[in-house]
Amino acid sequence: AQSVTQPDIHITVSEGASLELRCNYSYGATPYLFWYVQSPGQGLQLLLKYFSGDTLVQGIKGFEAEFKRSQSSFNLRKPSVHWSDAAEYFCAVGPPGGGNKLTFGTGTQLKVEL
Amino acid sequence: GAVVSQHPSRVICKSGTSVKIECRSLDFQATTMFWYRQFPKQSLMLMATSNEGSKATYEQGVEKDKFLINHASLTLSTLTVTSAHPEDSSFYICSAGAGVGSYNEQFFGPGTRLTVL
Repeated sequence: AQSVTQPDIHITVSEGASLELRCNYSYGATPYLFWYVQSPGQGLQLLLKYFSGDTLVQGIKGFEAEFKRSQSSFNLRKPSVHWSDAAEYFCAVGPPGGGNKLTFGTGTQLKVEL
Repeated sequence: GAVVSQHPSRVICKSGTSVKIECRSLDFQATTMFWYRQFPKQSLMLMATSNEGSKATYEQGVEKDKFLINHASLTLSTLTVTSAHPEDSSFYICSAGAGVGSYNEQFFGPGTRLTVL
């Protein structure tokens, strides 16, 4: 069965510092990969997604993620964090080739210190 | 981007009563809608998938008679929690799928916080 692991439950960074959120997945084939952000009391917003091709994916709000097949990872990065980036971040996988069902990781809570 | 709304955003009810949550796609037609449940500090768990005009497909372990889903139109799906109990208290999030071909991107609503007393 597919699974998504986000090993860091909480991360605290200083504003302006770089950020990397880890995501590892277990799947029979290379799935579609997603990162979502959830602000308190709100739904999820898609930051970026990877289907195929270039393994470095650019998203909104200055985020990027790199797919590494050998490590089954899809880590999210941002060179310089802003206080408004404080939120919960979820990595998710979907069936390769499309389809509807997403499997989410347990999330990483990001705190930004001013 | 596509907008999905949920109503109500918060609801408090007594044990034994039923609660209906609406999910609407405001500016697109959603062929598929999804209902998730999120416990505090945990991930989203898919409860069911619904297609307009057909019965919902429930995930394993989700009671279909307790969580009634109706997808009456391409812009509206409802989740009714019947005979709610305190353990049903949770954050319920819907998403609406829109796309062409094999990829169906999901757009998420803001969620509904249900508290059962």
